[in-house]
Amino acid sequence: EVQLVESGGGLVQPGGSLRLSCAASGFIFNNYDMHWVRQATGKGLEWVSTIGPHGDTYYSGSVKGRFTISRENAKNSLYLQMNSLRAGDTAVYYCARLGGTWGALDSWGQGTLVTVSS
Amino acid sequence: QSVLTQPPSVSAAPGQKVTISCSGSSSNIGNNYVSWYQQLPGTAPKLLIYGNNKRPSGIPDRFSGSKSGTSATLGITGLQTGDEADYYCGTWDTSLHVVFGGGTKLTVL
Repeated sequence: EVQLVESGGGLVQPGGSLRLSCAASGFIFNNYDMHWVRQATGKGLEWVSTIGPHGDTYYSGSVKGRFTISRENAKNSLYLQMNSLRAGDTAVYYCARLGGTWGALDSWGQGTLVTVSS
Repeated sequence: QSVLTQPPSVSAAPGQKVTISCSGSSSNIGNNYVSWYQQLPGTAPKLLIYGNNKRPSGIPDRFSGSKSGTSATLGITGLQTGDEADYYCGTWDTSLHVVFGGGTKLTVL
């Protein structure tokens, strides 16, 4: 069974940093693109970043230059380093797996809440 | 403002059928597969439809998807109270970024 478990969320002050982790199991992690998607309370889904199996990365315009996605295939782990955090970054952050060749996010974690507030 | 446009809400009675539209452009839906996600209250999103019209294992055939040009549609027949959820369409754009619709809240009256 595919499992994705996020951790690392919490309360951080504006301008601060936080590192999210996503532990993957139940599949061959280094075969898949992985994504971070966030959702502010009461709002819709917002794609944040993607990393390919070999480390190619993509970012949304709202986080580019502040967030860094990475992965450690030997540990079946995905990360999101978030710097220069703003109130607008407050959201539940989900990690998700890109399944197959159809471009769909076929497995999601339960999410971790990041709150940016003074 | 989401890249893909969905109606904020739809509603129908139990047992009835409902459709949810998703409108995009040639930069996204027009040249890529569309997926649909169901988000029940308080839970993570779940893949409902992929490749425009394919259902993952375990998704009942009451759920269907279609795509025409730069628009896509999710259909749900035989509505049940358990279908009350937020539904999101998603695809890719020319920059290899994932894009989502703003979400549609389904109410089963």
